[in-house]
Amino acid sequence: QSALTQPRSVSGSPGQSVTISCTGTSSDVGGYNYVSWYQQHPGKAPKLMIYDVSKRPSGVPDRFSGSKSGNTASLTISGLQAEDEADYYCCSYAGSYTDVVFGGGTKLTVL
Amino acid sequence: EVQLLESGGGLVQPGGSLRLSCAASGFTFSSYAMSWVRQAPGKGLEWVSAISGSGGSTYYADSVKGRFTISRDNSKNTLYLQMNSLRAEDTAVYYCAKVVPFGGVIVIDYFDYWGQGTLVTVSS
Repeated sequence: QSALTQPRSVSGSPGQSVTISCTGTSSDVGGYNYVSWYQQHPGKAPKLMIYDVSKRPSGVPDRFSGSKSGNTASLTISGLQAEDEADYYCCSYAGSYTDVVFGGGTKLTVL
Repeated sequence: EVQLLESGGGLVQPGGSLRLSCAASGFTFSSYAMSWVRQAPGKGLEWVSAISGSGGSTYYADSVKGRFTISRDNSKNTLYLQMNSLRAEDTAVYYCAKVVPFGGVIVIDYFDYWGQGTLVTVSS
């Protein structure tokens, strides 16, 4: 499986909104509503932020939202805060049992 | 509170072996599939292996198939990854992660909890 395509970096000022895209194919992102997003601060473990395209786990602020259109999923962070600065990874089920594929990651910088 | 604590990483020569462990607490360990995900230095995440709650079903990425073996001891709430014939490209932080499945006991939907990771360095 090829990795999903994410922009290497995005940036925004505090209070602004940013959107991170995650492009796959009809065999993964486009074929299933099992896209998840993970936040990773330097030296830390990944943390689940969004699952099943747009659902938020308990404790994740509603500033974080997810969506999907065709083969591209998106993570939108509104009202940017300094602590949102991190790497973000998308992940999608890819069609067979444990076939999951990750994106290459996007570094979010809060200016 | 769910906790996952990996151990067993270290420096190993190419061709060598290493066994990683992941001690789990805060949930009914035997009821959940578990997985290993790795991250090479400065790189993205890569799924490595998964195992069903009973341990009866195991799955591997093509990159490690035939060299790595995942197992679990539900009496000890511990997940393992036996890594043999290690290569330089296996150098990474290895995370254990709790699997949330859909449509069956092992089909991965997402990973809801992750450990802090253990670093494996393969170098001469």
